[in-house]
Amino acid sequence: GAVVSQHPSWVICKSGTSVKIECRSLDFQATTMFWYRQFPKQSLMLMATSNEGSKATYEQGVEKDKFLINHASLTLSTLTVTSAHPEDSSFYICSANPRGWAQYFGPGTRLLVL
Amino acid sequence: AQSVTQLDSHVSVSEGTPVLLRCNYSSSYSPSLFWYVQHPNKGLQLLLKYTSAATLVKGINGFEAEFKKSETSFHLTKPSAHMSDAAEYFCVVSPFNTDKLIFGTGTRLQVFP
Repeated sequence: GAVVSQHPSWVICKSGTSVKIECRSLDFQATTMFWYRQFPKQSLMLMATSNEGSKATYEQGVEKDKFLINHASLTLSTLTVTSAHPEDSSFYICSANPRGWAQYFGPGTRLLVL
Repeated sequence: AQSVTQLDSHVSVSEGTPVLLRCNYSSSYSPSLFWYVQHPNKGLQLLLKYTSAATLVKGINGFEAEFKKSETSFHLTKPSAHMSDAAEYFCVVSPFNTDKLIFGTGTRLQVFP
C-alpha cells in the first residue's frame, strides 16, 4: 500500500510555456501533500505544502506565482510551473503521509526547459 | 531549528563488507528521524524510522540505525553490503508535530565487487 504516482515522468518544454505536474495517491486519501525540488546530485528541498481544499503553504524563497499548486481532491495535487525558464529545470517530487507514519514519495518528474 | 548533517558525501565499500553511513542531527525536541534511499531514476524509499520507542531501529534490506542522544547521531549500518545497495542515502528529520521533512545532503554509496 501507500503508492504515490506522478505524471508525467519527464517533460521537455520551451521557455515561456507552462507545465503541469500531477501527483496522485493511488490507494489512500491525502489531505496534505508535499512538493520537493531536487537539483542534480543535490538534496531535496521542500517547496510547498499542498492542502486539500485550501491554499498551499510555500517555503521561504519559493515564488507562489511561479509554482502554482492546486489540491482539488483527496487524491490529487498538481504543481504548475508557469512561464518556465531554463533555471526551472529540475527534478520535482511529491510525497504524502497516509497513516501518520512516514512520507511516501512519488517517482518524480524531470523537467527540462529549453 | 532542526537540521541533519551527513558527514560523508561518498562512501565506497567492497561487497560483503560492513556499511556505515553517518548522520548527526540538531533538534530542540525529541525528533523523528528517517533514512531514505534513492536509486538512480527511481523514487525515494523509506528504509527506517526512529520514534522514541527503541533506540535501535531495524529497517528493510538488512539496514539498521541507532539513535544516540548523547552524540546526537543516527548512523545507518548494514553488516554486509550487496551490489544492489549502491544508491544515494538521505538522513531526514521531521520537525516536532509536523509532517515536513528536512533532508540531509545525501551520501552516495558505491559497492565494488
